[in-house]
Amino acid sequence: QVQLQQWGAGLLKSSETLSLSCAVSGGSFNGYYWSWIRQSPGKGLEWIGEINHSGRTNYNPSLKSRVTISADTSKNQFSLELSSVTAADTAVYYCARGNREYSGYDNYWFFDFWGPGTRLTVSS
Amino acid sequence: DIQMTQSPASLSASVGDRVTITCRASQNIRSYLNWYQQRPGKAPMLLIYGASNLQSGVPSRFRGSGSGTDFTLTISGLQLDDFATYYCQQSYSIPRMYTFGQGTKLEI
Repeated sequence: QVQLQQWGAGLLKSSETLSLSCAVSGGSFNGYYWSWIRQSPGKGLEWIGEINHSGRTNYNPSLKSRVTISADTSKNQFSLELSSVTAADTAVYYCARGNREYSGYDNYWFFDFWGPGTRLTVSS
Repeated sequence: DIQMTQSPASLSASVGDRVTITCRASQNIRSYLNWYQQRPGKAPMLLIYGASNLQSGVPSRFRGSGSGTDFTLTISGLQLDDFATYYCQQSYSIPRMYTFGQGTKLEI
């Protein structure tokens, strides 16, 4: 069974950089996209970005200027850095596996395994 | 960006009931629509992908339907475990840019 374990700082001050990591066990790192998703009362679930084993990334345009997602395939881990945090970045941050199913010409992507979440609070 | 709008925001039901949750996309997303269930304090869990495909291990009382801009999640024979919040999510955008609905809270 695939498991995602995540860790990182839970309390930051405004302007600091958030760093989170996620370790994948019980399955291959290759062949998937690995995402960061956050959830706040104000904005609901918000996709931050993703990376695959080759280092190819996609980012949410609204966060792209502040986000870096990287991967260490030797450890089956991937990480998130979010710079210049503010109170608006207060949320629960999840890592998740992006998987796909092919159906004819369609290529359905979805998140089938999630980490337990890390709560981030940003104080001024 | 593709916006996803769910209705209702909350829904009261009883054990054994059948309920329907609606999700509308701001543009045609064909069948690129997923549904998740989230219980309090837990991560979301995939229920349905590709609008109507049941994820492995998910009970058959969950059914997804729709295509284009209008989608529904129907839960038949509600059980206590089903009282949770449900989210839709589109995966149509290229380059990939996933967006979620605001959620529907299913309450007793």
